[in-house]
Amino acid sequence: DGGITQSPKYLFRKEGQNVTLSCEQNLNHDAMYWYRQDPGQGLRLIYYSQIVNDFQKGDIAEGYSVSREKKESFPLTVTSAQKNPTAFYLCATGQSLAKNIQYFGAGTRLSVL
Amino acid sequence: AQSVTQLDSQVPVFEEAPVELRCNYSSSVSVYLFWYVQYPNQGLQLLLKYLSGSTLVKSINGFEAEFNKSQTSFHLRKPSVHISDTAEYFCAVSHMNRDDKIIFGKGTRLHILP
Repeated sequence: DGGITQSPKYLFRKEGQNVTLSCEQNLNHDAMYWYRQDPGQGLRLIYYSQIVNDFQKGDIAEGYSVSREKKESFPLTVTSAQKNPTAFYLCATGQSLAKNIQYFGAGTRLSVL
Repeated sequence: AQSVTQLDSQVPVFEEAPVELRCNYSSSVSVYLFWYVQYPNQGLQLLLKYLSGSTLVKSINGFEAEFNKSQTSFHLRKPSVHISDTAEYFCAVSHMNRDDKIIFGKGTRLHILP
C-alpha cells in the first residue's frame, strides 16, 4: 500500500513536554513538507526539505524542529517553546518544488492537556 | 510575492444546483495553479491543476476550473453538486520555473443543503 503515513492520528501534549509527529512515505519523493492547519487560516508551512540531511524553515518555524536523516522519513517535533500547539498537522511530499504537485498524509490532530 | 485569495470562506448551495468557488491570485511571473479538496478529518487531495496548455481543466468528478490570466483568477465550478461534495476546497499557486514553495488560500467550505 503506497503513500504517506502520519502517526499518531491523535496526540495529546502536557505543558512543557516535547512531542514528535511521524511522517513516512514510500513514494520515493525528494521533497517533504510540514503544514499547520487552524480553522479559517488555511495551511501554513512550518518546515520543508528538498533532500536528505537538508531542510529549511517555513513561515512559522518557531517552536518546531525537524530532521531528515532518511529520504522516507521527516519527523516533526513540537517543542515546549511552541505556546499554542493545538492544531491539525499535515505532512506532504512532492517530486520537486518546481511543479509542486503535493501529496498529503491523513494528518495528526494535536491537543494540549 | 505571490498570494492567493479565496473570496468566500463558506458557500451554501442546494443539492443539484450549480456552484462556483472563487480564487484570485497575485504574481509578477507565470504560475502553476491548483485546487485541492479536504474531506472532514482527512488530508488534502489534488482535485485539478493548471500547468500549461488549455486554460480549462477538468476533474474526474465533474469539477472544472478556468485559468484567466487577465483577471488573475482560477475559479472552480460544478454544474450540479452532490451531497458527497461537502468538503473544504483550497486554491493554491506556485511560480513556474522557480523552486518556490506552494502558497495556499485560506479555503472555502462548501455546504450542500438537502
